[in-house]
Amino acid sequence: GAVVSQHPSWVICKSGTSVKIECRSLDFQATTMFWYRQFPKQSLMLMATSNEGSKATYEQGVEKDKFLINHASLTLSTLTVTSAHPEDSSFYICSARPGTGVFRSYTFGSGTRLTVV
Amino acid sequence: TQLLEQSPQFLSIQEGENLTVYCNSSSVFSSLQWYRQEPGEGPVLLVTVVTGGEVKKLKRLTFQFGDARKDSSLHITAAQPGDTGLYLCAGAPTGANNLFFGTGTRLTVIP
Repeated sequence: GAVVSQHPSWVICKSGTSVKIECRSLDFQATTMFWYRQFPKQSLMLMATSNEGSKATYEQGVEKDKFLINHASLTLSTLTVTSAHPEDSSFYICSARPGTGVFRSYTFGSGTRLTVV
Repeated sequence: TQLLEQSPQFLSIQEGENLTVYCNSSSVFSSLQWYRQEPGEGPVLLVTVVTGGEVKKLKRLTFQFGDARKDSSLHITAAQPGDTGLYLCAGAPTGANNLFFGTGTRLTVIP
């Protein structure tokens, strides 16, 4: 089946530094990928839609300059959390939709736990 | 942002009991999905419903999509400890490619 791989699975960084999270589609091409954030005991919140070869589309309230998204190839999207602060600590999850068709399903990565200290 | 409200938010039941989780919205969705998520992992798809009024069964789980495609329910029969987890509904707005998640229901099944 289709697999979406995220790396790293967890990362601890110092406040003020930047962290890059990778999301790869392993056996399919993804022109679009989605980035979610999940705080403890809460649901997933869509942050942005990553589009291959063009700018990402950010959801309302998400700072595009803080959460940089690059989708340079059909199998890789990256999310960079710039100048991270403790409040950015969260579980970040990406997803993609393999195949074609309006009702094709979404495949999710296993997530990246970011802790900013 | 398409708001999907789930109820109840938390549910703790004894093994063998039945339960229903509801997912409601004021928006219409072209499809609605149910996921289950374990701690520290991404959500795993349980089912996709696309037709208003559709009912799908997956062993002890029964999913229903509302006639107006604005709401859905998940019914679990004879719950087992292995059913413990976070259940999420998620809807794809008509004509859109992105998926919005419900507020989540955390289920605990006590042996």
